[in-house]
Amino acid sequence: GQQVMQIPQYQHVQEGEDFTTYCNSSTTLSNIQWYKQRPGGHPVFLIQLVKSGEVKKQKRLTFQFGEAKKNSSLHITATQTTDVGTYFCAAPITGGFKTIFGAGTRLFVKA
Amino acid sequence: KAGVTQTPRYLIKTRGQQVTLSCSPISGHRSVSWYQQTPGQGLQFLFEYFSETQRNKGNFPGRFSGRQFSNSRSEMNVSTLELGDSALYLCASSFEGSYGYTFGSGTRLTVV
Repeated sequence: GQQVMQIPQYQHVQEGEDFTTYCNSSTTLSNIQWYKQRPGGHPVFLIQLVKSGEVKKQKRLTFQFGEAKKNSSLHITATQTTDVGTYFCAAPITGGFKTIFGAGTRLFVKA
Repeated sequence: KAGVTQTPRYLIKTRGQQVTLSCSPISGHRSVSWYQQTPGQGLQFLFEYFSETQRNKGNFPGRFSGRQFSNSRSEMNVSTLELGDSALYLCASSFEGSYGYTFGSGTRLTVV
């Protein structure tokens, strides 16, 4: 079935370093969403990208949607300990009424 | 505005029993989706409801069922519980269904 592949699975960084997680699909996506889940918490919606080549920023977070609408990335500049958690990409399947999630990238930040 | 409310937060059940989990979506949200989250399998889609109709169902056995009421509140039921059903069950609501979800805090189910 339709899948979104997310890499890397884990990332350890020193506080202040940058971090990027990537999401790829074999099919064209209508939109892609990003969520953050803190340890012990629940996923929290960060952003949705809809347009080809779209780039959106939220403070130190930069989100990109590929030109072919098959891939996306989340980049965090100068990580902080508050960025710790798992970042998920998600996309609705063709035909709708179901959103599938990538496996997530767990970010560890060492102070 | 109140968030998505899931009850109970924690549940311990014995194999073979059944369980019902409840979800109250954000006011005005008519789409409710359920996910099972486990460390090994990530977030797995269970089902989606909109205006009391199940519009999609994931690849789970028939022991997993759900429903949605006219006020958009939703319940899911798992019968004949197995050890492998231990997981965090998350409910998510959205206005239409294909856009950003708001998740509840989840129900942590442990089957012993």
